[in-house]
Amino acid sequence: GAGVSQSPSNKVTEKGKDVELRCDPISGHTALYWYRQSLGQGLEFLIYFQGNSAPDKSGLPSDRFSAERTGGSVSTLTIQRTQQEDSAVYLCASSSTRGGDTQYFGPGTRLTVL
Amino acid sequence: DQQVKQNSPSLSVQEGRISILNCDYTNSMFDYFLWYKKYPAEGPTFLISISSIKDKNEDGRFTVFLNKSAKHLSLHIVPSQPGDSAVYFCAARGTSYDKVIFGPGTSLSVIP
Repeated sequence: GAGVSQSPSNKVTEKGKDVELRCDPISGHTALYWYRQSLGQGLEFLIYFQGNSAPDKSGLPSDRFSAERTGGSVSTLTIQRTQQEDSAVYLCASSSTRGGDTQYFGPGTRLTVL
Repeated sequence: DQQVKQNSPSLSVQEGRISILNCDYTNSMFDYFLWYKKYPAEGPTFLISISSIKDKNEDGRFTVFLNKSAKHLSLHIVPSQPGDSAVYFCAARGTSYDKVIFGPGTSLSVIP
């Protein structure tokens, strides 16, 4: 498919475990964003990549959260020692060339921390 | 501090009538504004955008109006259809390398 894909679509984990979420952006898109949406809330910005570098990590809520992007394509968002408040839908988006252009979102990963 | 605000969490409109979704922003450096639509269990999809050099942009049933002096924009949907029922996010950015800032969203229900 030509769209943004994310895996897994659903993840249930126990408090204290680490989780890794994956995003495959649209081929050729250099900008990649991670957001999360908690129940009843809006889109919370987490991190933004331009190529492999992350010019803006200001949205990461704590040092338990990290993200990387290799080869300017696939990105992984890692949450260490998960807490119940980490439960949310994690959305990835990509856009072409310059960061501000129209973003195309993936379907999201629903994370539930028990 | 919320730079993009959507003060109405929800809106209910009769089918065939106009839906008006409002958005306010605080950063005068914002240069480009977007609206996204989100259905449950799906990622947001781009709907319409407007550059700060314009005050109106129209695409079919959707029109976005921008009032820079008031730092206010609105999305008009006319006529509203039941399939328009979704959460609508207003978003804004500065330069083309800046991140996009999203508002909290307004949930629109179009009643048949």
